[in-house]
Amino acid sequence: SQQGEEDPQALSIQEGENATMNCSYKTSINNLQWYRQNSGRGLVHLILIRSNEREKHSGRLRVTLDTSKKSSSLLITASRAADTASYFCATDGREYGNKLVFGAGTILRVKS
Amino acid sequence: NAGVTQTPKFQVLKTGQSMTLQCAQDMNHEYMSWYRQDPGMGLRLIHYSVGAGITDQGEVPNGYNVSRSTTEDFPLRLLSAAPSQTSVYFCASSFRGHPGSEKLFFGSGTQLSVL
Repeated sequence: SQQGEEDPQALSIQEGENATMNCSYKTSINNLQWYRQNSGRGLVHLILIRSNEREKHSGRLRVTLDTSKKSSSLLITASRAADTASYFCATDGREYGNKLVFGAGTILRVKS
Repeated sequence: NAGVTQTPKFQVLKTGQSMTLQCAQDMNHEYMSWYRQDPGMGLRLIHYSVGAGITDQGEVPNGYNVSRSTTEDFPLRLLSAAPSQTSVYFCASSFRGHPGSEKLFFGSGTQLSVL
């Protein structure tokens, strides 16, 4: 079963534009993480945000968390062709025995 | 450091065959896990371990066995392969036994086809 659902399923933008991906989840969480997966590779951790945090930044990445709406967004600013990848949110919470549960992902394509 | 190493990268099996997917990490991580990734379904947890000698089931454990005799290694065994086990398998580890509160390090995956 999936806790998080990413939206949109696929996104295509021009290099230099910003990309926003959203993640909605069903039950209360302790933490939310975002991962990137390049084609044919393993996942790479991007950022972790705790349930008592509202926003975190890492380089060109900005993550927000709204626990009242049970949603998070990942913003990539000034996108590059190298940002082309799938992006997944993952959550943990008591409902799932504190295991990390992944969503189905957003496929981002950045055109140069 | 090599990180998380998975072997083999590709494998084709016939229905009913058994095999072991290998996973090793050199970061002295307590937590190790196996996920499978199917199109449109994200990653689903198969089994996990919070330390040597300790394993537990994840969301989709049927048809798979694991053991953790050392901190470094966490092999995944397919007992009698079925076409439904065709998938990409990822091993992942983290420093402590709380993957939700710390980042996971992933291997590069094993693409398995069961005919």
